[in-house]
Parts: sequence; C-alpha cells; structure tokens
Amino acid sequence: QVQLVQSGAEVRKPGASVNLSCKASGYNFTDYYIHWVRQAPGHGLEWMGIIYPSGGITNYAQQFHGRVTMTRDTSTGTAYMEVSSLRSEDTAIYYCAREGEDPSFDSWGQGTLLTVSS
Amino acid sequence: EIVLTQSPGTLSLSPGERATLSCRATQTVPTSLLAWYQHKPGQSPRLLIYETSSRATGIPDRFSGRGSGTDFTLFISRVEPEDSAVYYCQHYGTSPSITFGQGTRLEIK
Repeated sequence: QVQLVQSGAEVRKPGASVNLSCKASGYNFTDYYIHWVRQAPGHGLEWMGIIYPSGGITNYAQQFHGRVTMTRDTSTGTAYMEVSSLRSEDTAIYYCAREGEDPSFDSWGQGTLLTVSS
Repeated sequence: EIVLTQSPGTLSLSPGERATLSCRATQTVPTSLLAWYQHKPGQSPRLLIYETSSRATGIPDRFSGRGSGTDFTLFISRVEPEDSAVYYCQHYGTSPSITFGQGTRLEIK
C-alpha cells in the first residue's frame, strides 16, 4: 500500500536550518508529485510547495521563496525539504503528501514536528 | 490568488444530525479542482472528497459534496462521534498554487 514515512521530530534555534525527509513506498515514486504542507499550533493547513520527482522541478508558495528548497532522491524514493533562516513562527507540524490523479492529496505522511526555540 | 472562506467556524451537533459545511471562494473554482479533507488531532489529514463530489477510497457514503462556481458544501448525513474533526476545503490552482480554507471544527455533543 502507499506509504509516506517522514523523519523524526527536530528542534532548532532561530536562524538555523533543518532538512526534513519523506520516504515513499508502495508505488512508483517518479509517477506522482509530492507536496509539503504545514500546520502551526492553533492554525490551519498551509501549502508550502511541490516537487515533481521525475525531473526535480519545484514550485514554492510565494511566502517561502528563498527560504525553502525541495529536492528528491529517486534512487531511494525520498523527498526532502530544507527550511533555512528558521524563526519561532516556523514551529509547526510539517507534512508531505502525494498528489493523486484528480488532483488532490490522496496520501499523507505522519508529519514531523519542528520546534524552533532559543 | 483565490481565497477560500469556510463557515461556520465551529459546528456543534448531536449524533444522528446532519452537518452542512460551507466553503466560499473569491473567484470561480472549477469543480474538478475542489477537495475536502478531515483532520483529527494527532493524525494526518485524510482526503474525503475530490473534484467537488467524488468520495475518496474508503469514505462512507454519509459524506457527500456539492457545489459550483464560488459555493461548495460538504454534507455529513448523520454525524457520528468519530466525525469530530476539523474539515478543510482545498483549491488546486494554476502553477500550481494550493489554498486551503481556514477550517470548520465539527464537535459532536
């Protein structure tokens, strides 16, 4: 079955960077786009961007341009997202999600809690 | 960018009652690009409805969606305790640019 397994919780200081991972299984990794979505405490879902695993093309939400970099490793079926210049407002649960054929997000990772605190 | 506004903010119902959740867009949204998700505390979001009215795999037929233009609705015909969650509508825009509504919290009394 389709599974997206994300890396474990992270704690960083303001100004630092973090690299989150999302390992896909149960399907051909290069056939489906991967999105990243976050949820800050007390807030709703916020879309961050998309990566096309087959060619590595990315598109980021405007508010994350310059601070977010999405990459992938097709040999392991893993998507990555680096967030730099972290601030306390980046404290959130970060999800990766697979885009189905409709389009919509038909499978989600379990989420990674990122805490940014001095 | 299209903005999605959901109402009500919170909905409190008793088991067996019908839930009506609204999602209004600032511009016309193609029905093929509107989806609904259920998000329970401590869990990942789950796709309920795609293309406005199609149920995702494994979703009970108590859940249904309808709408066109700028107005979309998620219905739960007879709510159950396990339906307690936050529900989000989502628009899949060009480039792409994805937007979510702010969510409706459904509480089961």
